[in-house]
Formats: sequence, structure tokens, C-alpha cells
Amino acid sequence: DSGVTQTPKHLITATGQRVTLRCSPRSGDLSVYWYQQSLDQGLQFLIQYYNGEERAKGNILERFSAQQFPDLHSELNLSSLELGDSALYFCASSVASSDHEQYFGPGTRLTVT
Amino acid sequence: SQQGEEDPQALSIQEGENATMNCSYKTSINNLQWYRQNSGRGLVHLILIRSNEREKHSGRLRVTLDTSKKSSSLLITASRAADTASYFCATDASRDDKIIFGKGTRLHILP
Repeated sequence: DSGVTQTPKHLITATGQRVTLRCSPRSGDLSVYWYQQSLDQGLQFLIQYYNGEERAKGNILERFSAQQFPDLHSELNLSSLELGDSALYFCASSVASSDHEQYFGPGTRLTVT
Repeated sequence: SQQGEEDPQALSIQEGENATMNCSYKTSINNLQWYRQNSGRGLVHLILIRSNEREKHSGRLRVTLDTSKKSSSLLITASRAADTASYFCATDASRDDKIIFGKGTRLHILP
């Protein structure tokens, strides 16, 4: 158990819909990262937050947005969902910056039908 | 294009043998990390090596980093069935702190 929790574990929704994925980092970790893992694209870094502020941005679509709240939990919002958004979405946390090991949550499996 | 590219894509070896996986990357990095993933589960951090380090050990794991060749290798000695998993390298680009994972090496340890 990494100490990072993600909800929900599974999500099935239709194209065009909007979903919110939630992540609680390990106690004491200030950085939260979001990743998307699919068979064709592999593991893609989406975005990093550090202590509530956006720190680094990866291949995150404009239809996706994220935020980190004062209690350090984070949410990833996916809107106007497309079939290709079906993937595993992982959250990870680290003590500080990306110069530290990341602890991954169990992931949310999103299926868009 | 991928920053980190693991090689080989898949590897099957007998239990007890050593497994070596390689990772190549394109840009300057702050550090390189290796992770392991069992099927469909979250990644587990194995080892982090900084750009000013050349070699690190952790138990049966040995990681090397050659910044002149922009490559790293992960060696697992005396492999066990439980080592069967996918192994990923991840680079932290020094220019923009973006973290880029390779597509991974699928390691299968045969009994």
C-alpha cells in the first residue's frame, strides 16, 4: 500500500460526459502528479501540482483540467469524453519536487462507451 | 516522441539468471527513475539516480547512468518469479521538469 488513494476504482460513462477523479496523496507529500496509461500511448504525464500550484504540464488535453486543494488532495476533471479517453488514470505523490521518488495510487480505470 | 525508450520491449529469462534492461533518452535530465508495474496495478518506485551519479545499488538492483550517451541500465540479479512485471524508466527533464516515461520492458521470469 503506497498511501496514495484514488477514487473511484472503476468508472464507466458515455461519450460527451464529464467525470471527476479524486486523489489523496500520502500524508506529508506536497506534490501530486496525474498520469494516463493506455495500450497505445503508454504512460503519459499529464500535470503536476505542488502545494496547490501548478508546477509542470505534460500532454494534458484542453478538455482536461486539474486542481490541488488546500488539504492537498487533487481532482482531475475530464470533460466532453471521447472513446479514446478510455484508460487507466494514475495519481502519484512525492514529498516535494520531481527530484524525489513518486508513490503511485492504484489507479482509476475509465471506460468511455 | 518518447523521451525514454526501454530496450528490449520484452524479455524472458530463467529464474536465477540476471536481467538487464536499457533506457535511452533525448534531453538533459535532472534524474532518472526506474519503476515496476504488475499487470494493471500502480507503479512502484525502485530506484532514483541523479544526473551527477553514475551507479546505484539497491538490494538485487543495480542502475547505471551514462549522461554522455543519454542512457541507463537496470540490472536485476538472481531473478525470481516474483520479478515478473513491466519495468519503466522515467526521466525528469531539466529544462521544464516534465516527467516522461518510456513504454516499458515486460520481464517474464520462467520457473
